[in-house]
Amino acid sequence: DQQVKQNSPSLSVQEGRISILNCDYTNSMFDYFLWYKKYPAEGPTFLISISSIKDKNEDGRFTVFLNKSAKHLSLHIVPSQPGDSAVYFCAGLSGAGSYQLTFGKGTKLSVIP
Amino acid sequence: NAGVMQNPRHLVRRRGQEARLRCSPMKGHSHVYWYRQLPEEGLKFMVYLQKENIIDESGMPKERFSAEFPKEGPSILRIQQVVRGDSAAYFCASSPTMGGPGANVLTFGAGSRLTVL
Repeated sequence: DQQVKQNSPSLSVQEGRISILNCDYTNSMFDYFLWYKKYPAEGPTFLISISSIKDKNEDGRFTVFLNKSAKHLSLHIVPSQPGDSAVYFCAGLSGAGSYQLTFGKGTKLSVIP
Repeated sequence: NAGVMQNPRHLVRRRGQEARLRCSPMKGHSHVYWYRQLPEEGLKFMVYLQKENIIDESGMPKERFSAEFPKEGPSILRIQQVVRGDSAAYFCASSPTMGGPGANVLTFGAGSRLTVL
């Protein structure tokens, strides 16, 4: 029972262009969504989050959009840089006092110089 | 300012042996979480501990797996009588108070990769 789905295992983007990573969820109880970035042989690193009461959150080159009616969120990276090449995990969190992150399987982003 | 430290980074065990994975949280963090990532899967929650207490072990397999976070020393995830299906990356995370969004977002270690022959 996959509550968080990242249907694209991989994505290749030219340097300087926009990267769009998608995530769908089924659990309506999620209050927050988080994106983590993971380099090989390292742990996931928190990138950006969004509350379910918002539809957009921006932090520098990273913007997350949330469409609650479609149960869909996306992470936009613009402009993409080679250092952004990593696996990106989408995760849902139920409640501010919750600690159980429910992760998707991840999308491997390759930014081509 | 060291992050979450996990060791060993790689561990090879034969079926039936025991595996012990250790995790030292970030300085100032007293809440520890273990997650497991099976091949081609996302990370899945296993257990949440504070010093000397297991808060939530709802994600732990019922048998062979145990976790502790003693008053002194690192948190330990112990897997007894390992089987091939235990082969995975085990990630530890920590937070200053109970995890959540914002300031309490989980900080992950680099993981311990267990291979069972």
